[in-house]
Amino acid sequence: NAGVTQTPKFQVLKTGQSMTLQCAQDMNHNSMYWYRQDPGMGLRLIYYSASEGTTDKGEVPNGYNVSRLNKREFSLRLESAAPSQTSVYFCASSERASSGNTIYFGEGSWLTVV
Amino acid sequence: DAKTTQPPSMDCAEGRAANLPCNHSTISGNEYVYWYRQIHSQGPQYIIHGLKNNETNEMASLIITEDRKSSTLILPHATLRDTAVYYCIVRGFQGAQKLVFGQGTRLTINP
Repeated sequence: NAGVTQTPKFQVLKTGQSMTLQCAQDMNHNSMYWYRQDPGMGLRLIYYSASEGTTDKGEVPNGYNVSRLNKREFSLRLESAAPSQTSVYFCASSERASSGNTIYFGEGSWLTVV
Repeated sequence: DAKTTQPPSMDCAEGRAANLPCNHSTISGNEYVYWYRQIHSQGPQYIIHGLKNNETNEMASLIITEDRKSSTLILPHATLRDTAVYYCIVRGFQGAQKLVFGQGTRLTINP
């Protein structure tokens, strides 16, 4: 059971380049999330999708766009990468976006913007 | 969401029980207590959660005080692979989509 799968695992971008982080879950979950984690800090929510067809901003949405492609997949796009977006990105999912539903995380995508 | 307070670091001998405390004195009645751990920047791993009653699963036990103002995560037989940062998170109905990770407790299991 793969759970939450993210690609790519590592990526180096030049300032101004664009890229998309892909995420898929095989747990038939309704809700999906994108977080970022900077060195020595906790995770911060970028965007989330409570259900297929909906997306909402989290704490730090600027510079990002998301697409809930279908129930399984939730992608994160950087349109014009900046060094401040160097971070580890985690995709996550849960059955529903409610407090009693556990959120499960992928292994992370390490992004460096030079 | 209620704020949590955890000790920044703890040590435990391999094979012994590791008891990780968490204070959440401002928790409200409908807020859950969740525990996650993160091993060296891997994805956060879910451990256990509870609302009012004590909980146990294959990984750990969660003891919540009667007034719900604090809780303890117990790893019954700690191994070296349990070395990680452990996060206690209180999660309520408002903003349930967001897990607020504090600084956590860095647990080191010593041989």
